[in-house]
Amino acid sequence: EAEVAQSPRYKITEKSQAVAFWCDPISGHATLYWYRQILGQGPELLVQFQDESVVDDSQLPKDRFSAERLKGVDSTLKIQPAELGDSAMYLCASNTGLDNNEQFFGPGTRLTVL
Amino acid sequence: QKEVEQNSGPLSVPEGAIASLNCTYSDRVSQSFFWYRQYSGKSPELIMSIYSNGDKEDGRFTAQLNKASQYVSLLIRDSQPSDSATYLCAVNTSGDSNYQLIWGAGTKLIIKP
Repeated sequence: EAEVAQSPRYKITEKSQAVAFWCDPISGHATLYWYRQILGQGPELLVQFQDESVVDDSQLPKDRFSAERLKGVDSTLKIQPAELGDSAMYLCASNTGLDNNEQFFGPGTRLTVL
Repeated sequence: QKEVEQNSGPLSVPEGAIASLNCTYSDRVSQSFFWYRQYSGKSPELIMSIYSNGDKEDGRFTAQLNKASQYVSLLIRDSQPSDSATYLCAVNTSGDSNYQLIWGAGTKLIIKP
C-alpha cells in the first residue's frame, strides 16, 4: 500500500541548533504539505508545494524555517536555529493535486527542543 | 476568517454504544468534508470523506452532512475501545483551488469497556 514516508520519527535537539526533516510523498502525488501540530490543536499549515513550486508559505516563519522540493518529489523542511517553541509534531501530507482534497499523512516527526 | 469548530471533549461512550461527533464550519460555500482519526502520538488517518448532503456509510462509520445548517457529524456504531482517539474535522471551500483544508482542534473520544 502506498504511504507517505518521513524521517526521522523523533528528534531531540538543543536550542540554536539546526534540524532537518525529510518527506517522500505517495508516488504520483503532485501536492505536498508540511504541517506543524501542537498537542490539543489541529494541524497548522506551514508550506504547500505543487510539484517543485511553492503554492503557499504564508504561515512559514521564514526567518528560521525553510522548505524545498527541488525535483518535485521528496521534500526537506529545515529549522535553523531551533527555539524552545518549535517543539511539536511535524507532519507531511500529500494528495494527487486533482479535484480531490483527500490528504494522506506520513507518520510525522516529533521534535523536542531543549 | 474561516473556522471549523469541534467540542474538545473528552466524550466518554460505553463500549457497544453509538458515538456521535459533531463539527460546524463558518464558510457557507464549503464543498469537501473530512474526518480524520488520530491516536495519541500518531499522525492523522483519513477515515471518511463526504461531499454531498445526506449520509455516507462505511462499515461502522457514518458521516452526515447538512450544508444548510453548516454542520457535519460522524457516527460510530458498536463503539470499541480501539476507537478511543482524537477525531479531527477538516473542511475545504470550493473557492480554494489550492486544495487546502481548514482544521478543527479535534474531539477526544474515550470508549469505556
